[in-house]
Amino acid sequence: DTAVSQTPKYLVTQMGNDKSIKCEQNLGHDTMYWYKQDSKKFLKIMFSYNNKELIINETVPNRFSPKSPDKAHLNLHINSLELGDSAVYFCASTRGRSYNEQFFGPGTRLTVL
Amino acid sequence: AQSVTQPDIHITVSEGASLELRCNYSYGATPYLFWYVQSPGQGLQLLLKYFSGDTLVQGIKGFEAEFKRSQSSFNLRKPSVHWSDAAEYFCAVGAINQAGTALIFGKGTTLSVSS
Repeated sequence: DTAVSQTPKYLVTQMGNDKSIKCEQNLGHDTMYWYKQDSKKFLKIMFSYNNKELIINETVPNRFSPKSPDKAHLNLHINSLELGDSAVYFCASTRGRSYNEQFFGPGTRLTVL
Repeated sequence: AQSVTQPDIHITVSEGASLELRCNYSYGATPYLFWYVQSPGQGLQLLLKYFSGDTLVQGIKGFEAEFKRSQSSFNLRKPSVHWSDAAEYFCAVGAINQAGTALIFGKGTTLSVSS
């Protein structure tokens, strides 16, 4: 069974479009994250949710809107896509708010043309 | 501010040779440290972690890391590298604020293995 899954795996779209990426975890975790990996493979935290509550928002443009319908799901909606949004987006989950291992999904490679 | 530095962007090691990947961190309190591996086109897999206790930590796939507070380092080692170890390696520190925790990653080290 896949622990943290993301859909789609690849996403190619035009500038200005709106797109969503979905994440689901079946680990029973209550904290979920979105990370962005740029073309130089640098990974940076974007958002974190705990029990459906937004707890970390790292100065991400407001074109990015995360939504957590329940503890097992964290989706990322991006409006008015720009070339610079091209990256690999990773979802991760963990138990609690403290220091525990984060489990990562396989990533979604977003390409904006 | 918390940060992680991986000084080596790319390392090539012969199969069967030993490996050491360097990681230095900057963190005000006791750090919680991690090493993750990313194979091409894959997500990140945890190799090992240090929270407290013994400063020599054993991980999966024969990897180990040593926490040295005096040097602010958490270097990853493996005595004998296999071709399947070729991947991207990320060191990370767990950064906590009032809201929660997130991982602060280094920029990664690409490991190539030659035969």
